[in-house]
Amino acid sequence: KAGVTQTPRYLIKTRGQQVTLSCSPISGHRSVSWYQQTPGQGLQFLFEYFSETQRNKGNFPGRFSGRQFSNSRSEMNVSTLELGDSALYLCASSSDRPRNTEAFFGQGTRLTVV
Amino acid sequence: AQSVTQLGSHVSVSEGALVLLRCNYSSSVPPYLFWYVQYPNQGLQLLLKYTSAATLVKGINGFEAEFKKSETSFHLTKPSAHMSDAAEYFCAVSEKRSQGNLIFGKGTKLSVKP
Repeated sequence: KAGVTQTPRYLIKTRGQQVTLSCSPISGHRSVSWYQQTPGQGLQFLFEYFSETQRNKGNFPGRFSGRQFSNSRSEMNVSTLELGDSALYLCASSSDRPRNTEAFFGQGTRLTVV
Repeated sequence: AQSVTQLGSHVSVSEGALVLLRCNYSSSVPPYLFWYVQYPNQGLQLLLKYTSAATLVKGINGFEAEFKKSETSFHLTKPSAHMSDAAEYFCAVSEKRSQGNLIFGKGTKLSVKP
């Protein structure tokens, strides 16, 4: 069974640009969550999607948005990039079944804003 | 609001020594608690989880954790450290059994000396 796949692994963008990150969950998983990891703030929850609907949202500005497609793949978009958006962005998928709710994480996309 | 506090951003032990990583949580509802491990340039891997069953939880790689409601703690232990245990460890809390919206601690980096 393939794991959670995030693309690209590394990305360099310029301030003011926008970026789209992609996450393919484990087959059969309908829940996809996104997290931002930085040395200063640690791991912070961005949002969770389930069956194409945003189910939970963290405390991030509106520049951060996401969506989920019918095949459960998810994308995250950051507009008007700032230097502080440089981070490792992690995606996690889970099945949401009562007895099997483990979240599996991808290797992340490392975004550098210059 | 939920929160997690991990005491000690860095812990160093000798190979074969006891590993103790501390985690205290704050939650207004019965929490679900998790420990994750992250190796350099990797995503997170679930070590173990507490979901209101047994208070002593055994995980992978010889790790275990004990849920103590009176102390609001969920400390991670391993009787004998191995060099391969060197990594960063994160404690996380969720209001729900599903792991779609995790609140993480700041992490503890474990070093293992030969």
